Amino acid sequence: EPEVTQTPSHQVTQMGQEVILRCVPISNHLYFYWYRQILGQKVEFLVSFYNNEISEKSEIFDDQFSVERPDGSNFTLKIRSTKLEDSAMYFCASSPLQRGSYNEQFFGPGTRLTVL
Amino acid sequence: AQSVAQPEDQVNVAEGNPLTVKCTYSVSGNPYLFWYVQYPNRGLQFLLKYITGDNLVKGSYGFEAEFNKSQTSFHLKKPSALVSDSALYFCAVREGRGSTLGRLYFGRGTQLTVWP
Repeated sequence: EPEVTQTPSHQVTQMGQEVILRCVPISNHLYFYWYRQILGQKVEFLVSFYNNEISEKSEIFDDQFSVERPDGSNFTLKIRSTKLEDSAMYFCASSPLQRGSYNEQFFGPGTRLTVL
Repeated sequence: AQSVAQPEDQVNVAEGNPLTVKCTYSVSGNPYLFWYVQYPNRGLQFLLKYITGDNLVKGSYGFEAEFNKSQTSFHLKKPSALVSDSALYFCAVREGRGSTLGRLYFGRGTQLTVWP
């Protein structure tokens, strides 16, 4: 069964450094998402992406964040200058295109980001 | 504003007994409701969804959920719990209208432990 994959599983970085979190969505999916979960808190929406552009972003997704689909398979989340409060589990998700329906999102296993 | 509440951080049940994991929601317009399960070191796995129609929806692994509009609830149930059902369960909601790409709002999660 196809799965969303994410790399790395765990990233440790120093405050102020740039990180890139990588995701490979399911191959025939066209909608992509990033969510994050700070330890002990809810899973929070960051951004959705379709047709090579951001469709929606939350208040969390400020100028420090960016997303990109550099090729036909990868979907990346970049944090330009990490802060301590960016430490969280980051989940990538994808969803197929199906007009008029509301499909479930398929999630990857997550990348645990630790900012020191 | 959209929100989801899972009032129980933990649910403990003996194997073979019925289980219920509670979820209430708040959303403008018609809700689309989802349950996901997370096993250790794995991503969020889709269990079931309610979009429209029959209030009782059936999903994977013998789980079902009942949509109750008057109580704004979407409780997850299973008639006979298995030890292998032990995991973290997330309820999620999205707006039924005016939302193009399906931003999900999650509850905090409920840790289900099934004792042998």
